[in-house]
Amino acid sequence: GAVVSQHPSWVICKSGTSVKIECRSLDFQATTMFWYRQFPKQSLMLMATSNEGSKATYEQGVEKDKFLINHASLTLSTLTVTSAHPEDSSFYICSARDPSRGGGYEQFFGPGTRLTVL
Amino acid sequence: GEDVEQSLFLSVREGDSSVINCTYTDSSSTYLYWYKQEPGAGLQLLTYIFSNMDMKQDQRLTVLLNKKDKHLSLRIADTQTGDSAIYFCAEPGANNLFFGTGTRLTVIP
Repeated sequence: GAVVSQHPSWVICKSGTSVKIECRSLDFQATTMFWYRQFPKQSLMLMATSNEGSKATYEQGVEKDKFLINHASLTLSTLTVTSAHPEDSSFYICSARDPSRGGGYEQFFGPGTRLTVL
Repeated sequence: GEDVEQSLFLSVREGDSSVINCTYTDSSSTYLYWYKQEPGAGLQLLTYIFSNMDMKQDQRLTVLLNKKDKHLSLRIADTQTGDSAIYFCAEPGANNLFFGTGTRLTVIP
């Protein structure tokens, strides 16, 4: 159990277009989902925390108007990169917290989405 | 945020033991986690340890916790080539996990 999927697994887009990435918890309800960004050979950088039915909380330095997050249901959160530019190229990973496990802190990660902006 | 530190690289020969170390800052952390990331993939939870434990063993994995020194380690016995990956330790924040920089483990055949 505790499977998280992401779609698409990779995407290539032109500069100026918008890209939507979906994150789904397949077999549990996730009241909280997290979006991370990972640069090559670097650790995870938390972008935002989203709670179902409320606005996402963005980390300092993350543009909320550029990275739109919607958490419309207990199993789905979406990240939309608006007006993407080459510097937005990165590996985006989502995770979902299952409050019934590991003291409630345990996060289950999606496989990641590789975004390349040309 | 919390400051979770790890060494960046570790190389071991196949069959040897690997020990990956981590230091964390929040002494009130109730759980501490180890995640594994294979190339081009997301993170997979390997194991976790509750703060009232000193050691936890799970097959080839042994987690040691030294709360006094805020030091966490992950030992992999009989390391295999399939263990080559990046290993992250993590401690909980108020609503999130704080991840270390990750240790890239390379297993030499």
